[in-house]
Amino acid sequence: QSALTQPASVSGSPGQSITISCTGTSSDVGAYNYVSWFQQRPDTVPKLMIYNVTNRPSGVPDRFSGSKSANTASLTISGLQAEDEADYYCSSYRNDVTDVFGTGTKVTVL
Amino acid sequence: QVQLVQSGPEVKMPGASVKVSCKASGYTFSNFAIHWVRQAPGQGLEWMGWINTGDGRTKFSQKFQGRVTITKDTSASIAYMEVGSLRSEDTAVYYCARRIVGVLDYWGQGTLVTVSS
Repeated sequence: QSALTQPASVSGSPGQSITISCTGTSSDVGAYNYVSWFQQRPDTVPKLMIYNVTNRPSGVPDRFSGSKSANTASLTISGLQAEDEADYYCSSYRNDVTDVFGTGTKVTVL
Repeated sequence: QVQLVQSGPEVKMPGASVKVSCKASGYTFSNFAIHWVRQAPGQGLEWMGWINTGDGRTKFSQKFQGRVTITKDTSASIAYMEVGSLRSEDTAVYYCARRIVGVLDYWGQGTLVTVSS
């Protein structure tokens, strides 16, 4: 059971847009619309940013958006802000009734 | 309000077992599954397993099958996760999280388990 594949790091300047990819298989990302994205700042609990591919929980800025194409999901942060600097993880439900997380992406605001 | 409160930090010897609790409040415990996730120091999130809090069925990542047990006490709204045969690589923060329709929406504060001789 391999982790979903994410880029190790992504960076951007304030105001720019960045996109983080999350590549899985036809048994997880490609099979269900149960992809979530979590933000984690150092020494804090992961925070849900996107669920079911495209939905934002209450309180999450609309700068954060999610999408999916085939076996790859994406998180886009538009109008990057300093406070967005954190680690980001995707997760997906799998067809064997388990879950899997992505490898994680460190976002740096230049 | 929904809350998941976990037990405190643990220090264990290699080969020992550890049992972490996760007390739920603010919702009907048996209506939502509880999942367990861990994070080793400086590493990513790792999904471990989950329990159906209604009927007690469990499912684990292949990596943890046979070494991890998840149980519940419905009357107390508590889920438990026990890891046996601990080794240094099991040093991590262990989180419980509530599952609703494909989403881990509420998380516990995390429990640091340190395995050291």
